[in-house]
Amino acid sequence: EPEVTQTPSHQVTQMGQEVILRCVPISNHLYFYWYRQILGQKVEFLVSFYNNEISEKSEIFDDQFSVERPDGSNFTLKIRSTKLEDSAMYFCASSEARAGNQPQHFGDGTRLSIL
Amino acid sequence: ILNVEQSPQSLHVQEGDSTNFTCSFPSSNFYALHWYRWETAKSPEALFVMTLNGDEKKKGRISATLNTKEGYSYLYIKGSQPEDSATYLCAFRGGKLQFGAGTQVVVTP
Repeated sequence: EPEVTQTPSHQVTQMGQEVILRCVPISNHLYFYWYRQILGQKVEFLVSFYNNEISEKSEIFDDQFSVERPDGSNFTLKIRSTKLEDSAMYFCASSEARAGNQPQHFGDGTRLSIL
Repeated sequence: ILNVEQSPQSLHVQEGDSTNFTCSFPSSNFYALHWYRWETAKSPEALFVMTLNGDEKKKGRISATLNTKEGYSYLYIKGSQPEDSATYLCAFRGGKLQFGAGTQVVVTP
């Protein structure tokens, strides 16, 4: 069964550094998402992406964050000048369509640790 | 209700027993209610996507019901097995997908 893959599984970065988290969505999916889960808290929506542009973003997704689909397969989340509070599990997801009745397929996540 | 709330936060079930737990969500601007099963060290796995009031979905021993007017959904596990141990997340789709905190289910042999 096709799956969403994320790399790396764990990223350790010094505060203030830039980090890029990578995702390969399921190949025929058109909508892509990033979520994060800070330890002990709920999974939070960050951003959705369709047709090479952001379709929706949360208040968390400020100028520090950016997303890109640099080629036909990868979907990346870049965090500039990381802060301690960016430490979290970051999940990528994809779906065939944006319609509410389409399930989202999640990757295994990247654990980001900011030192 | 403005947020997605799940209760209980955790529950322990004896193997063979049945159980159920609740997801409460805003009753306005409803598009869909998603249920995901999340095992430790794995990715959340979609169980159900429910869109219609009164919907009832079933997958093996797991089923779910939906009441959009009052803003709640129940997930049922019949005859729990150790492999059912996981965190069960519900997510409300108004615009973006808004997750509850999950119900952690531990099934003991």
